[in-house]
Amino acid sequence: ETGVTQSPTHLIKTRGQQVTLRCSSQSGHNTVSWYQQALGQGPQFIFQYYREEENGRGNFPPRFSGLQFPNYSSELNVNALELDDSALYLCASSRGNSGVTGELFFGEGSRLTVL
Amino acid sequence: AQSVTQPDIHITVSEGASLELRCNYSYGATPYLFWYVQSPGQGLQLLLKYFSGDTLVQGIKGFEAEFKRSQSSFNLRKPSVHWSDAAEYFCAVGAGYNQGGKLIFGQGTELSVKP
Repeated sequence: ETGVTQSPTHLIKTRGQQVTLRCSSQSGHNTVSWYQQALGQGPQFIFQYYREEENGRGNFPPRFSGLQFPNYSSELNVNALELDDSALYLCASSRGNSGVTGELFFGEGSRLTVL
Repeated sequence: AQSVTQPDIHITVSEGASLELRCNYSYGATPYLFWYVQSPGQGLQLLLKYFSGDTLVQGIKGFEAEFKRSQSSFNLRKPSVHWSDAAEYFCAVGAGYNQGGKLIFGQGTELSVKP
């Protein structure tokens, strides 16, 4: 148990729809990162939020967006869903942002299926 | 650009046998290296990490890894595998200074354990 919780655990959407995934970070952690893990692949970095601002983004289009709230919880929004968006979406929290990459604590993920 | 290669997609070992999972990285400076484990339906759990210092690092569950700069490798080892070690293992490299939660993951190695 890492203390990072994600919801929903599973969901099914159709192409063109929009989805919001939620993450509660571990107590004391002010940084949240989101990863996409396609079947049979390693996780890929989407973006990171630190103190409510986006702080680093991977190679994902603008239809992937996020928010971080004052309590450090976070949302990942994906608009205009495509079939290739089907994946496990992982949230990870950590303490701090600057300097050395710190240890990430991962939630169990939200499994998104796009039909 | 940074990258991580895990040459073995799937490995099967007998319970009680030794294990070595390979990881090669590409990075221009001193890397921050990690091994994570993912059990089915679960998030990622950190096994161990290397930032600096002693090149042989000890982790949880009896795992260890050795950083070899000359070979750009960070192989994971365990002297005696238990059936509960069956899982997916991911090697990752930190993206660099001030990159916070951005990790670059390998494709993963699936470990099966024979009784």
